[in-house]
Amino acid sequence: AQSVTQLDSHVSVSEGTPVLLRCNYSSSYSPSLFWYVQHPNKGLQLLLKYTSAATLVKGINGFEAEFKKSETSFHLTKPSAHMSDAAEYFCVVSDEDSGYALNFGKGTSLLVTP
Amino acid sequence: GAVVSQHPSWVICKSGTSVKIECRSLDFQATTMFWYRQFPKQSLMLMATSNEGSKATYEQGVEKDKFLINHASLTLSTLTVTSAHPEDSSFYICSASKDSNQPQHFGDGTRLSIL
Repeated sequence: AQSVTQLDSHVSVSEGTPVLLRCNYSSSYSPSLFWYVQHPNKGLQLLLKYTSAATLVKGINGFEAEFKKSETSFHLTKPSAHMSDAAEYFCVVSDEDSGYALNFGKGTSLLVTP
Repeated sequence: GAVVSQHPSWVICKSGTSVKIECRSLDFQATTMFWYRQFPKQSLMLMATSNEGSKATYEQGVEKDKFLINHASLTLSTLTVTSAHPEDSSFYICSASKDSNQPQHFGDGTRLSIL
């Protein structure tokens, strides 16, 4: 069985300050982990993915995430927030046991203030 | 690359009508397509998985006679909401992948409002 928990439903940061969106997962198998971003009334855009290669994954728009097996975490970070980063972010886990279906976290709403 | 187009983006219709939503992979062949439903301020819930040329596999609790899925070609899947009612109003999102264990690429979603 697999699951993913996004620890914060809302995160608010000031423009130019670091972003940290937290995600913990559980998986019986070697998981693939993803972060997606969704802007209002839009589909999802893949930010980055981990698939058992390097544990520090760099994505688009300056985002990165580190896979920590010992902590079962896959937190998303960005050194400096931009106003355009305001959106909903989803942490997603997938593994062979689930037939590679995506299991979504509940999402974290990121607010960026001027 | 890996562009998925979903149409229409917004539809409003009367209760009792049927609505068809299209999902197309524009620059790749999608062996597998997925349909999700998203309620306001909630996460995505997988409704069904469809493989080209096969019947869709529905998640528990999703009525297959209500939500008809057709995946007749490697670039097109359709979701038809039959005899839609206000409780069917939601944001429907499709995704497509080259294979079940390949990354999914998402469409922009369809906002369905049933009056």
